[in-house]
Amino acid sequence: KAGVTQTPRYLIKTRGQQVTLSCSPISGHRSVSWYQQTPGQGLQFLFEYFSETQRNKGNFPGRFSGRQFSNSRSEMNVSTLELGDSALYLCASSLDSYTQYFGPGTRLTVL
Amino acid sequence: DAKTTQPNSMESNEEEPVHLPCNHSTISGTDYIHWYRQLPSQGPEYVIHGLTSNVNNRMASLAIAEDRKSSTLILHRATLRDAAVYYCILRVGNTGKLIFGQGTTLQVKP
Repeated sequence: KAGVTQTPRYLIKTRGQQVTLSCSPISGHRSVSWYQQTPGQGLQFLFEYFSETQRNKGNFPGRFSGRQFSNSRSEMNVSTLELGDSALYLCASSLDSYTQYFGPGTRLTVL
Repeated sequence: DAKTTQPNSMESNEEEPVHLPCNHSTISGTDYIHWYRQLPSQGPEYVIHGLTSNVNNRMASLAIAEDRKSSTLILHRATLRDAAVYYCILRVGNTGKLIFGQGTTLQVKP
């Protein structure tokens, strides 16, 4: 089976812009979770989607949003980018919530 | 949300066992204990998980204290490929919400 894929792998944006990141889960997985990883804060949970519904949400401002499509693919959007949003954004998919399979991440740089 | 506490770093010699400790004193009854590891420039990789009983798989063993306030990941014979950041994580109930700690950077010496 193909693993979790994330596109794009690298992205450079400027403050105030918005960005959309994409995640394709492993075939058959219905749960997709998003995480932000920074050197200072480590890995932080953003949100989880299951069957197109947001099941859990972390402590991030409303500028961070996501959605899941009927084929389980997921997107996350960050509006009005700030310098502090520079991070590695990781997506993970799961079949049963016990084991999450992470993608390689999207490295976002905000200038 | 309950948090975990791990040592920042540990060292081990190749082919020797490694015991990576984790404290989670505020764990709730429905929180699962998971361990993931992250190699440089990669996303985290699942290692093992448990709820109350000790667990073994081909990668490692997980020893959970009776009061569930601490656990230990055991790598039976460390190899150079085991050098990574190891995260002790609490998973909230039957969901995909993982609460990561700061992790332990494991260095394996040849």
